[in-house]
Amino acid sequence: DIQMTQSPSSLSASVGDRVTITCQASQGISNYLNWYQHKPGKAPKLLLYDASNLEAGVPTRFSGGGSGTDFTFTISSLQPEDIATYYCQQYDSLPITFGQGTRLEIK
Amino acid sequence: QVQLVQSGADVKKPGASVRVSCKASGYTFSDYYMYWVRQAPGQGLEWMGWINPGSGGTNYAQKFHGRVAMTRDTSITTAYMELSRLASDDTAVYYCAREVRYCANGLCSKSFDYWGQGTLVTVSS
Repeated sequence: DIQMTQSPSSLSASVGDRVTITCQASQGISNYLNWYQHKPGKAPKLLLYDASNLEAGVPTRFSGGGSGTDFTFTISSLQPEDIATYYCQQYDSLPITFGQGTRLEIK
Repeated sequence: QVQLVQSGADVKKPGASVRVSCKASGYTFSDYYMYWVRQAPGQGLEWMGWINPGSGGTNYAQKFHGRVAMTRDTSITTAYMELSRLASDDTAVYYCAREVRYCANGLCSKSFDYWGQGTLVTVSS
């Protein structure tokens, strides 16, 4: 199975800050990586697919990059509504695996 | 608009089985694979398997082989996930999620663009 390691596991930042999360795959996955936002009591929401493509309707302050084993997810200017847990997910091979999540809090 | 509406919370005793339903609307049900993902308390997201609603074909995560069955009823555009021999560590929120694929030049991009609201299954004696 491909292991996905996210860091940090939690992050506290101020409104307006630039926030970056990293995701590392245990083997190369090309760009077969998606990012989701998950708020308590809600369904996860797709933000980015194929590492860097913004899903329709998602604000442009969200962005992503990387290929192979190392990926980044960035919020350019943190907003209060961005408080959530963020997950990366690989689909290069089954079983599909997710990172352990990064909990984002407002400072 | 696309909607996935899941059945309500359930409480089961250890050793029992549970069936969670996922009613799809707003799109052609048979055109999109349906995945099942769960989240145990304080844990991350865990993929359980998928079903192709068009053919009924399935693929299960090794961890759940022999204990999970994913089915569908195309007449009512509903997918089902049944998990048997429940144990306390099966307590989790179970989600269905639609897989969307964008294919070009023989390569396909895959992601989960719509999710159900989640179904809490509690396993307790």
